[in-house]
This record gives sequence, structure tokens and C-alpha cells, in this order.
Amino acid sequence: DVKVTQSSRYLVKRTGEKVFLECVQDMDHENMFWYRQDPGLGLRLIYFSYDVKMKEKGDIPEGYSVSREKKERFSLILESASTNQTSMYLCASSHFPGWGGYTFGSGTRLTVV
Amino acid sequence: KNEVEQSPQNLTAQEGEFITINCSYSVGISALHWLQQHPGGGIVSLFMLSSGKKKHGRLIATINIQEKHSSLHITASHPRDSAVYICAVIEDSNYQLIWGAGTKLIIKP
Repeated sequence: DVKVTQSSRYLVKRTGEKVFLECVQDMDHENMFWYRQDPGLGLRLIYFSYDVKMKEKGDIPEGYSVSREKKERFSLILESASTNQTSMYLCASSHFPGWGGYTFGSGTRLTVV
Repeated sequence: KNEVEQSPQNLTAQEGEFITINCSYSVGISALHWLQQHPGGGIVSLFMLSSGKKKHGRLIATINIQEKHSSLHITASHPRDSAVYICAVIEDSNYQLIWGAGTKLIIKP
């Protein structure tokens, strides 16, 4: 069964900590995406990547960075976590260019205290 | 105006009722996804459609590309179907996802 796996289902971190959210896919997909979901705002794109070592800013990249050192892994990094980054984070992947459909992780609920 | 509109925003029904959730979009698409998010927050992909109809258990998804509309139906609804149902379309100009706001469904026993 093809999969996008997010390393943590729930995560609690302290303000100022460096936080890594990991996403791994086993489908040899070129594209990988990070979204966050907030009440009343829905799902918004943070960053995406079309290939190893490539990254593109989405709609709300401020406060985040990403790393894609290997094709199967796309990491979202919060350099210094803040309470306004408390949210649900969703990873997704697709073959390039993306018309054929996406595969989704199950989400990581991050709480920053 | 949002490019993907879901209706209703909220729906409460009795167990056993037939449920319909709608998704209308204003852009050209290559495909459409329906996802389910349970109260604990976990997201599950239900369907991907580019034409016609798909069925899985009590869930049925249809899409009409000409009318730019998709529906998700639940037959013989059950309290465990209570969740937020989210529609997302793959825009055919750049193959990015555009998300609907979700429909919160509550099924009462």
C-alpha cells in the first residue's frame, strides 16, 4: 500500500525550540508539499519541492524552512517555534507535474506552549 | 469568491439518513480529491476523481466536469461517519491543490 508517513501524530514543543516535522513517501514521487490547517482559514500551502534540494515558497512560508536532501523525505523546520505555529500540519506528495493526483499523510498536530 | 466552495458548511443528521455534501469549483481541473478528517484530526484520503463515479462501501463520489461540481454521498449514515469532509481540486494550469473549507458532519444516534 503506497504511503505518505508523517513521523508524529501529536507533538508538543516549547516556545523557542527548533522543531522538525518529517514526511516520508515510498512512491518515488517528485513533488512534496507541506500545508497547515487552521480554523476558519482551511489548508494553506507553506512550502513545496519539485526535486531533491529544490524548494519553492508557498502562500505562508514565514517562520518556516524546509529540507529535501533525499527524494523520499521532506522536512519542515520551525527554527524557533512560536505559539502562533500551533496548528495541524499536512504533508502530501505527487508525481511531477501533479495532474495524476496526490497522496496525503495523516497529519501532525503541533502544539507550541 | 473562493475557487472551491463546499456546501453545506455544517450538517447534522440522524443515523441512517442519506447524506450529500457538495463541492463546486470555478477553475479547470485535472482531478478532485475528497478527504475525511475525524475529530482527533487525522486525515484520510477517500477518493480521487477525474470523471464519473466511484464507490467504496457506503461512500459514493460523483463528479460532473462540465458543471464543475462534485458530490459525496453517504448511505445509511452512522455516528462514526461524523467528521469534516474536505474537497480539494487539482488546478489544470499549474497542478496545485485548491482546498475547500470543509463540511462538518455530525450524525446523531
